[in-house]
Amino acid sequence: LAKTTQPISMDSYEGQEVNITCSHNNIATNDYITWYQQFPSQGPRFIIQGYKTKVTNEVASLFIPADRKSSTLSLPRVSLSDTAVYYCLVGVTDSWGKLQFGAGTQVVVTP
Amino acid sequence: EAQVTQNPRYLITVTGKKLTVTCSQNMNHEYMSWYRQDPGLGLRQIYYSMNVEVTDKGDVPEGYKVSRKEKRNFPLILESPSPNQTSLYFCASNSPGRSNTEAFFGQGTRLTVV
Repeated sequence: LAKTTQPISMDSYEGQEVNITCSHNNIATNDYITWYQQFPSQGPRFIIQGYKTKVTNEVASLFIPADRKSSTLSLPRVSLSDTAVYYCLVGVTDSWGKLQFGAGTQVVVTP
Repeated sequence: EAQVTQNPRYLITVTGKKLTVTCSQNMNHEYMSWYRQDPGLGLRQIYYSMNVEVTDKGDVPEGYKVSRKEKRNFPLILESPSPNQTSLYFCASNSPGRSNTEAFFGQGTRLTVV
């Protein structure tokens, strides 16, 4: 499994764009990059997943450079309700059972 | 609605009294897993199952048992709970596939062992 490194915390104001970068230097060829969001006392929620280049959905964008050794989750125009912990996961098809959640990034959005 | 349902949501019990936390999913997923979450330690996997009758240990299996007799259910059993098992527990499920890291989590069970 690829080890991931992401900032422990980030602060932002409402309406700003938040970018969280995750490093995964030993990502394998078949690995996908997935991001989850977790609110206090709730289960993690899938946000977005990608393999290369850029993926966008109604919640966020995921940017993956050509070497795939890092990825950036972009949250556009955050609101107070985006305050949560964000986890970056990297894994392969057959090892889902061994996916590890790291410490994640605590994002705090203030007015 | 696709969901993973855990019960109970909250439980206070005494040391040594056997308990079961149930988990059920309605998405016909093959994979199911249990995690515990503690302050400063993040999410740690307890057990996982890749299909009916197929289970394996995660990172912190001591003191827990699981069974997977039906595809939709994956109960977590604490035969003799101890205070160090006080934690927030999550059940998760997903299906294998080329990009199977999208997992669905339950609402959580907050367990207190006194």
